[in-house]
Amino acid sequence: DQQVKQNSPSLSVQEGRISILNCDYTNSMFDYFLWYKKYPAEGPTFLISISSIKDKNEDGRFTVFLNKSAKHLSLHIVPSQPGDSAVYFCAASESRTVFGTGTRLLVSP
Amino acid sequence: EPEVTQTPSHQVTQMGQEVILRCVPISNHLYFYWYRQILGQKVEFLVSFYNNEISEKSEIFDDQFSVERPDGSNFTLKIRSTKLEDSAMYFCASSERQTNEKLFFGSGTQLSVL
Repeated sequence: DQQVKQNSPSLSVQEGRISILNCDYTNSMFDYFLWYKKYPAEGPTFLISISSIKDKNEDGRFTVFLNKSAKHLSLHIVPSQPGDSAVYFCAASESRTVFGTGTRLLVSP
Repeated sequence: EPEVTQTPSHQVTQMGQEVILRCVPISNHLYFYWYRQILGQKVEFLVSFYNNEISEKSEIFDDQFSVERPDGSNFTLKIRSTKLEDSAMYFCASSERQTNEKLFFGSGTQLSVL
């Protein structure tokens, strides 16, 4: 059961540059897509979401793009900051929220 | 900011023992969930709960698992007879709406079954 896939386990980016995290999904019935951030020893924290009827949602430095035809979404962080270093989970919901395996982002000064 | 609280943060138990993991969801939330994350794997859905009954459960949530809202504030997950493979971080979450638009997670209980 891999309805939500994050194919990059890790990503390293320099401070100030753009971070792009990718996610693919298989279930066309998902109606919301979300990104969560997780620090060690904490639970996931909601970051940003997008409805399936939209293709872009922006909140400050974070933008999520949705390409329904490709069943692909991405999270852009601009500019990246060292405090953004965390594991980022892509998630999608229909009746339940399903999570990807996460991408560990490291932003170096 | 209101938060979901979970106790204990760590639980060590012997195989075959019963454990109860406790959660206090955000007070005005109506939907409650349990997820778990086995080390190195993805966060997996276990069960959702609304209006004092299970609204959905995954294949993982078998007869060994049960959930309860014993009073107006607590939400518990019971594992009746723990197995080694139940070792994981268990997260409680709550949300205002059923659409699962946004879940608020607790910090988790690390369960180790020996």
